[in-house]
Amino acid sequence: GQNIDQPTEMTATEGAIVQINCTYQTSGFNGLFWYQQHAGEAPTFLSYNVLDGLEEKGRFSSFLSRSKGYSYLLLKELQMKDSASYLCAVPPYNQGGKLIFGQGTELSVKP
Amino acid sequence: DAGITQSPRHKVTETGTPVTLRCHQTENHRYMYWYRQDPGHGLRLIHYSYGVKDTDKGEVSDGYSVSRSKTEDFLLTLESATSSQTSVYFCAISELEGYNEQFFGPGTRLTVL
Repeated sequence: GQNIDQPTEMTATEGAIVQINCTYQTSGFNGLFWYQQHAGEAPTFLSYNVLDGLEEKGRFSSFLSRSKGYSYLLLKELQMKDSASYLCAVPPYNQGGKLIFGQGTELSVKP
Repeated sequence: DAGITQSPRHKVTETGTPVTLRCHQTENHRYMYWYRQDPGHGLRLIHYSYGVKDTDKGEVSDGYSVSRSKTEDFLLTLESATSSQTSVYFCAISELEGYNEQFFGPGTRLTVL
Protein backbone atom coordinates (compact mmCIF):
# COMPACT_ATOMS: atom_id res chain seq x y z
CA GLY A 1 0.00 0.00 0.00
CA GLN A 2 0.87 3.64 0.11
CA ASN A 3 1.50 5.98 3.03
CA ILE A 4 2.25 9.67 2.74
CA ASP A 5 3.17 11.99 5.62
CA GLN A 6 3.31 15.78 5.65
CA PRO A 7 3.25 18.29 8.49
CA THR A 8 -0.27 19.59 9.07
CA GLU A 9 0.56 23.27 9.46
CA MET A 10 3.47 25.65 8.99
CA THR A 11 3.91 29.37 9.49
CA ALA A 12 6.51 31.57 7.82
CA THR A 13 7.26 35.26 7.31
CA GLU A 14 6.88 37.21 4.11
CA GLY A 15 10.16 37.31 2.20
CA ALA A 16 11.56 34.24 3.95
CA ILE A 17 12.23 30.70 2.71
CA VAL A 18 10.15 27.71 3.80
CA GLN A 19 10.64 23.98 3.24
CA ILE A 20 7.66 21.63 3.27
CA ASN A 21 8.59 17.98 3.71
CA CYS A 22 6.86 14.86 2.48
CA THR A 23 7.77 11.26 3.23
CA TYR A 24 6.20 8.37 1.41
CA GLN A 25 6.10 4.60 1.34
CA THR A 26 5.00 2.94 -1.87
CA SER A 27 5.16 -0.53 -3.40
CA GLY A 28 6.97 0.72 -6.48
CA PHE A 29 7.60 4.28 -7.59
CA ASN A 30 6.26 6.28 -10.48
CA GLY A 31 7.08 9.84 -9.50
CA LEU A 32 5.89 12.39 -6.95
CA PHE A 33 3.66 15.42 -7.44
CA TRP A 34 3.18 18.66 -5.55
CA TYR A 35 -0.05 20.61 -5.81
CA GLN A 36 -1.08 23.98 -4.39
CA GLN A 37 -4.60 24.61 -3.15
CA HIS A 38 -5.88 27.99 -2.04
CA ALA A 39 -8.81 28.02 0.36
CA GLY A 40 -12.08 27.35 -1.44
CA GLU A 41 -10.37 26.56 -4.73
CA ALA A 42 -9.27 23.51 -6.70
CA PRO A 43 -5.75 22.08 -6.42
CA THR A 44 -3.33 23.21 -9.13
CA PHE A 45 -0.20 21.43 -10.30
CA LEU A 46 3.16 22.72 -9.08
CA SER A 47 5.78 20.09 -9.85
CA TYR A 48 6.57 16.51 -10.74
CA ASN A 49 9.75 14.64 -9.75
CA VAL A 50 10.65 11.19 -10.98
CA LEU A 51 14.46 11.33 -10.69
CA ASP A 52 16.55 12.20 -7.65
CA GLY A 53 17.58 15.80 -7.25
CA LEU A 54 16.28 19.32 -7.29
CA GLU A 55 13.90 20.74 -9.88
CA GLU A 56 13.71 24.54 -9.88
CA LYS A 57 10.81 26.52 -11.25
CA GLY A 58 11.01 30.19 -10.38
CA ARG A 59 10.49 30.76 -6.66
CA PHE A 60 9.45 27.14 -6.17
CA SER A 61 11.77 24.12 -6.15
CA SER A 62 11.06 20.47 -5.47
CA PHE A 63 13.54 17.86 -4.31
CA LEU A 64 13.33 14.07 -4.42
CA SER A 65 15.35 11.27 -2.82
CA ARG A 66 13.96 7.92 -3.92
CA SER A 67 16.26 5.91 -1.64
CA LYS A 68 14.97 7.81 1.40
CA GLY A 69 11.33 8.02 0.30
CA TYR A 70 11.54 11.77 0.83
CA SER A 71 10.64 14.93 -1.00
CA TYR A 72 10.44 18.59 -0.13
CA LEU A 73 8.97 21.70 -1.65
CA LEU A 74 11.06 24.85 -1.21
CA LEU A 75 9.38 28.22 -1.49
CA LYS A 76 11.65 31.27 -1.68
CA GLU A 77 10.90 34.98 -1.28
CA LEU A 78 7.57 34.15 0.30
CA GLN A 79 4.60 36.30 -0.61
CA MET A 80 1.26 36.62 1.13
CA LYS A 81 -0.39 34.91 -1.83
CA ASP A 82 1.64 31.75 -1.08
CA SER A 83 -0.64 31.13 1.91
CA ALA A 84 -2.30 27.89 0.82
CA SER A 85 -2.36 24.16 1.36
CA TYR A 86 0.43 22.18 -0.31
CA LEU A 87 -0.37 18.60 -1.25
CA CYS A 88 2.11 15.83 -1.88
CA ALA A 89 0.85 12.97 -4.08
CA VAL A 90 2.18 9.72 -5.52
CA PRO A 91 0.76 7.48 -8.24
CA PRO A 92 0.42 3.85 -7.11
CA TYR A 93 2.56 1.61 -9.24
CA ASN A 94 0.74 -0.04 -12.15
CA GLN A 95 -2.68 1.32 -11.14
CA GLY A 96 -3.53 3.50 -14.07
CA GLY A 97 -3.58 7.24 -13.61
CA LYS A 98 -4.54 7.24 -9.94
CA LEU A 99 -2.96 9.54 -7.37
CA ILE A 100 -2.79 9.05 -3.62
CA PHE A 101 -2.62 12.36 -1.76
CA GLY A 102 -1.15 13.26 1.57
CA GLN A 103 -3.32 15.29 3.94
CA GLY A 104 -1.67 18.52 2.87
CA THR A 105 0.36 21.16 4.69
CA GLU A 106 -1.44 24.41 5.49
CA LEU A 107 1.08 27.23 5.07
CA SER A 108 0.36 30.63 6.60
CA VAL A 109 2.54 33.52 5.48
CA LYS A 110 2.64 36.39 7.98
CA PRO A 111 3.70 39.99 7.26
CA ASP B 1 -6.85 26.32 -17.94
CA ALA B 2 -8.08 22.81 -18.67
CA GLY B 3 -11.74 22.78 -19.65
CA ILE B 4 -13.42 21.07 -16.74
CA THR B 5 -16.76 22.03 -15.30
CA GLN B 6 -18.77 20.55 -12.47
CA SER B 7 -22.46 20.84 -11.81
CA PRO B 8 -24.05 21.73 -9.56
CA ARG B 9 -21.47 23.85 -7.70
CA HIS B 10 -23.49 23.79 -4.50
CA LYS B 11 -26.23 21.45 -3.35
CA VAL B 12 -28.15 20.92 -0.14
CA THR B 13 -30.18 17.74 0.10
CA GLU B 14 -31.79 15.52 2.69
CA THR B 15 -30.72 12.14 3.99
CA GLY B 16 -32.00 9.29 1.86
CA THR B 17 -32.38 11.22 -1.39
CA PRO B 18 -30.46 10.31 -4.54
CA VAL B 19 -27.91 12.85 -5.79
CA THR B 20 -25.99 12.98 -9.07
CA LEU B 21 -22.98 15.18 -9.66
CA ARG B 22 -21.73 15.83 -13.16
CA CYS B 23 -18.22 16.41 -14.44
CA HIS B 24 -17.77 17.62 -18.01
CA GLN B 25 -14.46 18.04 -19.86
CA THR B 26 -13.59 19.51 -23.23
CA GLU B 27 -9.98 18.22 -23.31
CA ASN B 28 -10.70 14.71 -24.62
CA HIS B 29 -8.57 13.27 -21.80
CA ARG B 30 -8.85 9.53 -21.24
CA TYR B 31 -8.76 9.45 -17.44
CA MET B 32 -11.35 11.01 -15.13
CA TYR B 33 -11.53 10.90 -11.34
CA TRP B 34 -13.86 11.74 -8.50
CA TYR B 35 -12.39 12.80 -5.15
CA ARG B 36 -13.86 13.97 -1.92
CA GLN B 37 -12.08 16.39 0.37
CA ASP B 38 -12.73 16.59 4.08
CA PRO B 39 -10.85 18.34 6.90
CA GLY B 40 -8.20 16.04 8.33
CA HIS B 41 -8.41 13.60 5.41
CA GLY B 42 -7.16 15.48 2.42
CA LEU B 43 -8.22 14.35 -1.04
CA ARG B 44 -9.49 10.77 -1.24
CA LEU B 45 -10.26 8.95 -4.45
CA ILE B 46 -13.84 7.68 -4.79
CA HIS B 47 -13.92 6.22 -8.31
CA TYR B 48 -12.03 6.72 -11.49
CA SER B 49 -12.45 5.97 -15.19
CA TYR B 50 -9.82 4.93 -17.72
CA GLY B 51 -12.12 5.10 -20.74
CA VAL B 52 -15.75 5.09 -21.84
CA LYS B 53 -17.64 2.50 -19.79
CA ASP B 54 -14.38 1.56 -17.97
CA THR B 55 -14.43 2.46 -14.30
CA ASP B 56 -12.87 1.23 -11.08
CA LYS B 57 -13.14 1.83 -7.36
CA GLY B 58 -10.95 4.10 -5.32
CA GLU B 59 -10.26 4.05 -1.59
CA VAL B 60 -13.67 5.37 -0.42
CA SER B 61 -16.17 3.98 -2.94
CA ASP B 62 -18.86 2.64 -0.58
CA GLY B 63 -22.17 4.45 -1.12
CA TYR B 64 -21.13 5.85 -4.50
CA SER B 65 -21.52 4.73 -8.09
CA VAL B 66 -20.26 6.23 -11.34
CA SER B 67 -20.98 6.10 -15.02
CA ARG B 68 -19.15 7.22 -18.12
CA SER B 69 -21.15 6.82 -21.32
CA LYS B 70 -19.04 9.28 -23.33
CA THR B 71 -15.53 10.64 -23.11
CA GLU B 72 -16.51 14.08 -21.89
CA ASP B 73 -18.88 13.21 -19.04
CA PHE B 74 -18.30 11.39 -15.75
CA LEU B 75 -21.23 11.15 -13.36
CA LEU B 76 -21.06 10.45 -9.63
CA THR B 77 -24.23 9.16 -7.97
CA LEU B 78 -25.06 8.91 -4.31
CA GLU B 79 -27.90 6.40 -4.36
CA SER B 80 -29.17 7.36 -0.90
CA ALA B 81 -27.30 10.31 0.55
CA THR B 82 -26.11 10.20 4.17
CA SER B 83 -24.77 12.97 6.40
CA SER B 84 -21.31 11.38 6.24
CA GLN B 85 -21.27 12.22 2.53
CA THR B 86 -21.34 15.93 3.26
CA SER B 87 -18.13 17.05 1.61
CA VAL B 88 -16.50 18.95 -1.21
CA TYR B 89 -16.30 16.82 -4.34
CA PHE B 90 -13.65 17.41 -6.98
CA CYS B 91 -13.50 15.96 -10.45
CA ALA B 92 -10.12 15.65 -12.16
CA ILE B 93 -8.83 14.60 -15.56
CA SER B 94 -5.51 13.40 -16.91
CA GLU B 95 -4.25 12.46 -20.34
CA LEU B 96 -1.58 9.86 -19.68
CA GLU B 97 -1.17 6.89 -17.41
CA GLY B 98 2.47 7.30 -16.44
CA TYR B 99 3.16 11.00 -16.10
CA ASN B 100 -0.32 11.77 -14.97
CA GLU B 101 -0.60 15.41 -14.01
CA GLN B 102 -4.21 15.85 -13.05
CA PHE B 103 -6.29 18.94 -13.73
CA PHE B 104 -9.07 19.65 -11.28
CA GLY B 105 -12.54 21.03 -11.70
CA PRO B 106 -13.84 23.84 -9.45
CA GLY B 107 -15.53 21.48 -6.99
CA THR B 108 -19.06 20.83 -5.73
CA ARG B 109 -19.98 21.57 -2.15
CA LEU B 110 -22.59 19.02 -1.04
CA THR B 111 -24.46 19.25 2.24
CA VAL B 112 -26.64 16.35 3.37
CA LEU B 113 -29.02 17.29 6.18
